[in-house]
Order: sequence, then C-alpha cells, then structure tokens
Amino acid sequence: AQSVTQLDSQVPVFEEAPVELRCNYSSSVSVYLFWYVQYPNQGLQLLLKYLSGSTLVKGINGFEAEFNKSQTSFHLRKPSVHISDTAEYFCAVSASNFGNEKLTFGTGTRLTIIP
Amino acid sequence: EAGVVQSPRYKIIEKKQPVAFWCNPISGHNTLYWYRQNLGQGPELLIRYENEEAVDDSQLPKDRFSAERLKGVDSTLKIQPAELGDSAVYLCASSSGTPRGNTIYFGEGSWLTVV
Repeated sequence: AQSVTQLDSQVPVFEEAPVELRCNYSSSVSVYLFWYVQYPNQGLQLLLKYLSGSTLVKGINGFEAEFNKSQTSFHLRKPSVHISDTAEYFCAVSASNFGNEKLTFGTGTRLTIIP
Repeated sequence: EAGVVQSPRYKIIEKKQPVAFWCNPISGHNTLYWYRQNLGQGPELLIRYENEEAVDDSQLPKDRFSAERLKGVDSTLKIQPAELGDSAVYLCASSSGTPRGNTIYFGEGSWLTVV
C-alpha cells in the first residue's frame, strides 16, 4: 500500500514571498503523484501531476513540483504567492501498476497568505 | 461542461436518522468515487465504481452505509442509521478511467452534521 506524509499542517507566508509545501511518500512500487488544492467550502481541484518523464512538473496558477525518487518526495513550490493562494493543499499518490488502483491523500497543508 | 454535481450541499440530522446523498458525475466518466473527508484530514475513499460495478468498497462501513449506481451514471450514498462520528464532508468524484494517472474531478461536497 502507498502512504503520503505532509509534515506541515499549516504554513503562513507573506504575500509575494516564495513557498514550499513538503510531501513525502512511501511505496514498494512505482507511483504517480498529485497535488490538489481545496479552496474554502469547495471540492478539490487538480494543481499538477507527475506520471513519468521530466521530474519537474508545472501546474496551474504558477505552481510547480519536483519528483525526487531517491528522497521519495514531491514538494510543491511557487516563487511568489498571492492572497488568492490561501487554501488547503493535498498531496496524493497512486500506484502505477495494475490491480492497485487507489488514490491515497495526505492530511493536507493549510497555506495562509499574510498581506 | 458541467462538473460533478452533488446534493444536498448541507444536511443536519439527528443521530439514528437516515440520510442520502446524490451525485451526478461528469458526462462520459465511467469511474465514480465517494470519499469522506473528516475535519482537518484528507479525503478517504469509501467506494469506487467502474460503470455499475463497485470495484473497491473495502473502506465502506457496510453495516450502516450503502451505495448504488444504477445505469452507470448517477449515484446515491446512504447512511442508516447515522451516528455522531459520521459528521464529515462526503465528496463525490469522477474520472474517465481508473485512478492510475487519470485526473479525478471532485464535486463541492455534501456537508453532514449529525447532532
């Protein structure tokens, strides 16, 4: 089975500052990795995903993430945040092999942008 | 194109009462999911359908929870009787294929409070 750890439950950042949200995963097989964002009182929306190829993945709203297999990490970054980025961010993992098709989410990181 | 539609958005019931949630997935999506999201946690899969077939219901508490997806389109999730611990957001989602690498699209959720 796969698991995801998001060590930071809350991250406060000043507006226009850079941010990194950390995500580590555990799996005995190859994985696909995802970042979802949840704005207040809304469902989850896909920010970006890593399936294969380049380890640097660019997503919507200026976010990017880098897959690091040796460190089993998939950290999310943005060079300059805006007030509108205030939301809950979830890292998720699924196995890449057939017969093990389940998306497992982390506990989330609440990003708060300070004006 | 319409996204995943859920109803009701909010429901308050007394314990031991029944409750039902309805979901209409994105048109053409054969895979439908029900997730439960507790406060401060990531979503956890309750059940996944491939067309009409429930292919993963290992996390569904079958003593009180039931789900159906008639005709492979709309789905209903029922809880009977509800317990205080069932208070959560119930998220419906859909995808055009399995969770292996495919983007899962979420509805806005049905917020359940059991008093």
